[in-house]
Amino acid sequence: DAGVIQSPRHEVTEMGQEVTLRCKPISGHNSLFWYRQTMMRGLELLIYFNNNVPIDDSGMPEDRFSAKMPNASFSTLKIQPSEPRDSAVYFCASSTYRGNTEAFFGQGTRLTVV
Amino acid sequence: SQQGEEDPQALSIQEGENATMNCSYKTSINNLQWYRQNSGRGLVHLILIRSNEREKHSGRLRVTLDTSKKSSSLLITASRAADTASYFCATVLWRNSGYSTLTFGKGTMLLVSP
Repeated sequence: DAGVIQSPRHEVTEMGQEVTLRCKPISGHNSLFWYRQTMMRGLELLIYFNNNVPIDDSGMPEDRFSAKMPNASFSTLKIQPSEPRDSAVYFCASSTYRGNTEAFFGQGTRLTVV
Repeated sequence: SQQGEEDPQALSIQEGENATMNCSYKTSINNLQWYRQNSGRGLVHLILIRSNEREKHSGRLRVTLDTSKKSSSLLITASRAADTASYFCATVLWRNSGYSTLTFGKGTMLLVSP
């Protein structure tokens, strides 16, 4: 398996623009996580899906952020409109068994909002 | 929210020496995991220790868990320059929803000099 695949690897966008980050989890994994990493706040859990259903989105910072998982092999994280403070590395991770086992991370998307 | 806190924030040692990193957390957990992150890369799972276990080994890694003190330690023996990375502990807590999520600390940056 190729592991968790995220795209794009890097994204530079202007403030106010819409940004869409994409994730393909490992086949057979039924749990998917979106994390955001910054120097100040570390790794923050944004949202957690199980069997394509959002279980916990309490970490989504505000209404500008939305996430979907239309099927077991694809998820998106959208920011609209983007702001400079959204600049961070966004990671997608997947695992089995309701998130109680090891998580496999993608390489991340480095987002810069100017 | 539940979160592990690693100590020290940064550690610098020579090749061949042992490296010890500590993690403290706040509430009861289901299991605790350690991850490694090389600069600019995604996190990689190292080891998982369940709440009813006290010690676990994997190659040059030794993890201990003291649930009475709510703390864990990661020992890397005979360190190598390739061990240079950031190390994170992650706590897993079952929620009333029947699911669990991984919550990360801010990590320890380890530098191993040749």
